[in-house]
Amino acid sequence: GAVVSQHPSWVICKSGTSVKIECRSLDFQATTMFWYRQFPKQSLMLMATSNEGSKATYEQGVEKDKFLINHASLTLSTLTVTSAHPEDSSFYICSAGTGYQATNEKLFFGSGTQLSVL
Amino acid sequence: AQTVTQSQPEMSVQEAETVTLSCTYDTSENNYYLFWYKQPPSRQMILVIRQEAYKQQNATENRFSVNFQKAAKSFSLKISDSQLGDTAMYFCAFMKHYSGAGSYQLTFGKGTKLSVIP
Repeated sequence: GAVVSQHPSWVICKSGTSVKIECRSLDFQATTMFWYRQFPKQSLMLMATSNEGSKATYEQGVEKDKFLINHASLTLSTLTVTSAHPEDSSFYICSAGTGYQATNEKLFFGSGTQLSVL
Repeated sequence: AQTVTQSQPEMSVQEAETVTLSCTYDTSENNYYLFWYKQPPSRQMILVIRQEAYKQQNATENRFSVNFQKAAKSFSLKISDSQLGDTAMYFCAFMKHYSGAGSYQLTFGKGTKLSVIP
């Protein structure tokens, strides 16, 4: 079946540095990718919707200048956390879809990235 | 806006027994999809089951089945013959039905932590 690869699986960085997280669709073209954030023992909160070739759509309260999203190709979306601070420490998950309507086989999740900012 | 409510933060069940997880949602939409996702300790999101709102028949996937009550906006998950590997967080999720890019934006409930006891 289709696979979404997310890298790195975990990252530790110093406060003030930037971190890039990649989300790749390995055997399908993803017109849309979603980025979620999950705090410990909480649900997934949508941060932004990434459409190939256009600007990402951010959810209310998400700083677009802090969380830079680039969806330059149909198989890759990146999330860059700029000038990271300890409060940005969280689990980030991407998901990708293949078409215009969700079915079992068209919506897939990456394995997530645990970001820890010291 | 849609909301998804899971009123059971934690549940436990004996191995081989049956357990039901509750989910209610609020929407003004008539056509939509409902999902149950499983997140084991690995934190990989795994699709358990999916229901189209226009279908009256309840979805089933092996040991997993749902009780979909559209009028009551209720979507419970029944797990039969519970196994140790079923131990995980379970999230109920809602998705609008419409065509166009970005059609699979999910709204998640807060989750139910299920523990299967040997």
